Amino acid sequence: EIVLTQSPGTLSLSPGERATLSCRASQSVTSNFLAWYQQKPGQAPRLLIFDTSRRATGIPDRFSGSGSGTDFTLTISRLEPEDFAVYYCQHYRGSPIFSFGPGTKVEI
Amino acid sequence: EVQLVESGGGLVQPGGSLRLSCAASGFTFSDHYMDWVRQAPGKGLEWVGRIRNEASSYSTEYAASVKDRFTISRDDSKNSMYLQMNSLKTEDTAVYFCGRAGWHGEVTNWGQGALVTVSS
Repeated sequence: EIVLTQSPGTLSLSPGERATLSCRASQSVTSNFLAWYQQKPGQAPRLLIFDTSRRATGIPDRFSGSGSGTDFTLTISRLEPEDFAVYYCQHYRGSPIFSFGPGTKVEI
Repeated sequence: EVQLVESGGGLVQPGGSLRLSCAASGFTFSDHYMDWVRQAPGKGLEWVGRIRNEASSYSTEYAASVKDRFTISRDDSKNSMYLQMNSLKTEDTAVYFCGRAGWHGEVTNWGQGALVTVSS
């Protein structure tokens, strides 16, 4: 089973700043099948990035993903007020268990 | 527009059973793998399980925490997926989301969630 670790646990930033979130896997992620989701309080998660770097439909280009193997990054180039939320990474192929990371909270 | 609507949540005693449903619309349900994901109060997301499509023999996968207690099924004629939960424990208390998997397995669409509370 692949275990995902996210850092930092909490990121305190201001609107307009750049956010860099990390997701590390305990073993190599198959074909870079890694996704990032955003979740706001009381809402379902929303897919932001899949296949490490592909933006989902309707996701603004200030969100970008990168990485390979065991180290992955979600970057928000300039934080907008609506970006303050919790972000989760997930792998979804290869292993029969498609686990999520514990999340990173981006707060003001 | 893709829509996923969960139903069947509620209060159940430890050791009891509950069946959640996920009604899908706005896409060709039979083509897609479907997932269940849960979130305990104040906690992160936990993947529960997946059911594949007919082309993949409706095969299923489960998280270790629910394996042998939970069963995922689907009825493509009704555009619906189900989660049968048996031998429920207090730690199964969570909001349960159903999700549509994209072509590589990422969860592209989510329902609004159904709350399951396991308590005596």
